[in-house]
This record gives sequence, C-alpha cells and structure tokens, in this order.
Amino acid sequence: DTEVTQTPKHLVMGMTNKKSLKCEQHMGHRAMYWYKQKAKKPPELMFVYSYEKLSINESVPSRFSPECPNSSLLNLHLHALQPEDSALYLCASSQTLSIGNTIYFGEGSWLTVV
Amino acid sequence: DAKTTQPTSMDCAEGRAANLPCNHSTISGNEYVYWYRQIHSQGPQYIIHGLKNNETNEMASLIITEDRKSSTLILPHATLRDTAVYYCIVMGSQGNLIFGKGTKLSVKP
Repeated sequence: DTEVTQTPKHLVMGMTNKKSLKCEQHMGHRAMYWYKQKAKKPPELMFVYSYEKLSINESVPSRFSPECPNSSLLNLHLHALQPEDSALYLCASSQTLSIGNTIYFGEGSWLTVV
Repeated sequence: DAKTTQPTSMDCAEGRAANLPCNHSTISGNEYVYWYRQIHSQGPQYIIHGLKNNETNEMASLIITEDRKSSTLILPHATLRDTAVYYCIVMGSQGNLIFGKGTKLSVKP
C-alpha cells in the first residue's frame, strides 16, 4: 500500500478564515512534504519534515503554518490567505529524507480563497 | 541540484512506444534520475528512478546514458490513459524533488 490520504479534497475559505489541510500515511514513512501547485505550473516545494522535525522551509509566508504531530500525520494550517494562494496543495511522503528513496504523493487538496 | 531539460510536448500513437527524452548534463555522481507523471491535476504518480543502470518495472523502462548526462523514459505500448505531463527530476543531496516544467505527452488514437 503506497497511499497518502489528503483531506479535504476541496476547500473554499475567506481571507479572514482559519482552516487546516490534513495529510495521513500509514507506510511508516518518516519524511513528509507539502507542495503547492498553481494551474498549468509544476508543483513547488513548500516544507519538508524529517522525523517530525521541520527540515526545509522554502521561504513560505507565515500565513502557512505546517505541523507534524506524529509520524503519520502532517497538517498545513492556513490563516489570512490571499486569493493568489488558491491552488492545489499536495502532500507526499517517503521512507526517509535521503537520496534514492521513492516519494509518494497524495491526490491533493484544492483550495480556493475568496 | 542538477537541472533537467525536456521537450515541452510530444505526441505518440496509441499502441506505439513513447520515448521521452531528458537532458541532465550537470548531474553529480550520486544523484538519481526520477520520472513522475501527472494526469490532469491529480497527484504526481511515481513511475521509475535510477542511478546508473537501466531500470525496468511494470510501467516503464528507464535508459540512462553511460555518461549519465541524459536519459529516456520508454512507455512500451502507450494507451490513451498515458496522456499526462511527464516530469524528469534529478534528486539532489537533500532528498527532495524539485519539479521542472515537464513534457506534455498526448497519446492519440
């Protein structure tokens, strides 16, 4: 089983709302990732967690706040977003954060900011 | 991280082999070449990866040149469901994937 589950699949939020995206995997993976993908563009790396610790932050604005409460879960907390933040948010995981591992992606959460 | 260069788009006839090229001339000795595809804004799907040797699995074959500066992904019998954007990525030392623009493959009846 190579499944990464993301919820919700679709989210519409206002610019003053606080919401969260959730990602879950039960493969025993210890590295988890958030990517953002705008329409007709490739995915862009946002954050990487390794053993529940933030390892990489690609200069993402603070209105995006990641959290890794345990080895199976990854959250992305959203607050005071802008319409330009509307995108597909992809979660991924791999066995560890090391070269040569396979990274598996979820189906993504579609976010619309109004 | 080494960058990759891929054609923007390619066509392939259904049932024929699809050969997708990728250049990665600045690849380092310990960097792997990965291929993913993305079908109409679904999550990227892992296809195959390799270091030096050619690799084959149930989805595709990966041919890496001896100097490792380029590679080719081969889908042996393309179907309409293989229409997608195909990404060739060199995984850097940090162990993450940085996506380029990819190749839009259209499989036609």
